[in-house]
Amino acid sequence: SQQGEEDPQALSIQEGENATMNCSYKTSINNLQWYRQNSGRGLVHLILIRSNEREKHSGRLRVTLDTSKKSSSLLITASRAADTASYFCATAANAGGTSYGKLTFGQGTILTVHP
Amino acid sequence: KAGVTQTPRYLIKTRGQQVTLSCSPISGHRSVSWYQQTPGQGLQFLFEYFSETQRNKGNFPGRFSGRQFSNSRSEMNVSTLELGDSALYLCASSLEQGDNSPLHFGNGTRLTVT
Repeated sequence: SQQGEEDPQALSIQEGENATMNCSYKTSINNLQWYRQNSGRGLVHLILIRSNEREKHSGRLRVTLDTSKKSSSLLITASRAADTASYFCATAANAGGTSYGKLTFGQGTILTVHP
Repeated sequence: KAGVTQTPRYLIKTRGQQVTLSCSPISGHRSVSWYQQTPGQGLQFLFEYFSETQRNKGNFPGRFSGRQFSNSRSEMNVSTLELGDSALYLCASSLEQGDNSPLHFGNGTRLTVT
């Protein structure tokens, strides 16, 4: 079963605009990660934020984490057509130990960036 | 450094048959995880191996099994295939044992069961 809910399910913007995607989860976590998937291909890791961090940046990406609300957001600034993909949040649950490769993924946000 | 390699890329099988999928992790990565992706259920964790030992398993029936070899390469097997097993099967490897290590995914094996 999916722990995460992502919002919106689909997002369509113009090149140069910012894209914001939100993710909510249900259980206590060790970290939250964001991945990108181009159609029919594997997932590419974008960024990992630990449960004791509130914000993290990587290039044009900015991720926030609010553990009190069990939510995270991914902001992509100055979007490009090449950013068109599905974006997934994934959580490593804190169940008293290491989750050993088990990530719980959200349903994803489909981002379309028009040139 | 080569990425995660999954073979075959596409597979078509008939109900009742069995299938074996292969995954070669990034050199030096000892943890290998498997995920199933379907339009209805999304991405679901199957199992994870480290040093030839299964350390974690998802909620899948016993028809789904896997193993890891001494060179960290991994295989997963699905027996008595059902139509609902049609999916993209993704393998991922990671460097560290702990949680704070990103997963590196292969491009998957697209399995179609007819």
